[in-house]
Amino acid sequence: GQNIDQPTEMTATEGAIVQINCTYQTSGFNGLFWYQQHAGEAPTFLSYNVLDGLEEKGRFSSFLSRSKGYSYLLLKELQMKDSASYLCAVEDSNYQLIWGAGTKLIIKP
Amino acid sequence: DAGITQSPRYKITETGRQVTLMCHQTWSHSYMFWYRQDLGHGLRLIYYSAAADITDKGEVPDGYVVSRSKTENFPLTLESATRSQTSVYFCASSEDEVNEQFFGPGTRLTVL
Repeated sequence: GQNIDQPTEMTATEGAIVQINCTYQTSGFNGLFWYQQHAGEAPTFLSYNVLDGLEEKGRFSSFLSRSKGYSYLLLKELQMKDSASYLCAVEDSNYQLIWGAGTKLIIKP
Repeated sequence: DAGITQSPRYKITETGRQVTLMCHQTWSHSYMFWYRQDLGHGLRLIYYSAAADITDKGEVPDGYVVSRSKTENFPLTLESATRSQTSVYFCASSEDEVNEQFFGPGTRLTVL
């Protein structure tokens, strides 16, 4: 079967760094997305990884290891507005997105 | 305004009634998607469409019907609503199957 695993909830302090992990087992792999979703709002795109390695975009970076079925999202210099759920989604061999349940990130002052 | 919109934003209905959720996008994106989001689950794909008049089932299509006569519209119909269809429904669109998806604001549906 297809499976995406993420921690349910994480807590971090304003100004700190946090890493949100995602492991996956899917039928084929064409890419991995990270989305951010604030409570009561729609998901919004953060990053897309196709090749192994680290992609940096401002305070956010995303890493992919296809051989390990593993990705992480790294958030630096945390701000209160980063409190949200972070969704990992894998594009399978049919180009359909398989979504993880999301990680709720709580930022404390 | 440009973007992707959904209506209604909130809907309460009763078991057995037919309900239609609307989705409209102004980007002329080829692909459109319907998802449901429930606590403890990831987004689950109900139906998707690669172009006007082309639709296909996703992971959880039972009890739902879609149509796409125009590129910009992708309505989702619950033919006979059940309590298990209480959920938040998101419509999304993308230029093609490999690009990021842009999501509408969602419709919160309650079936009593």
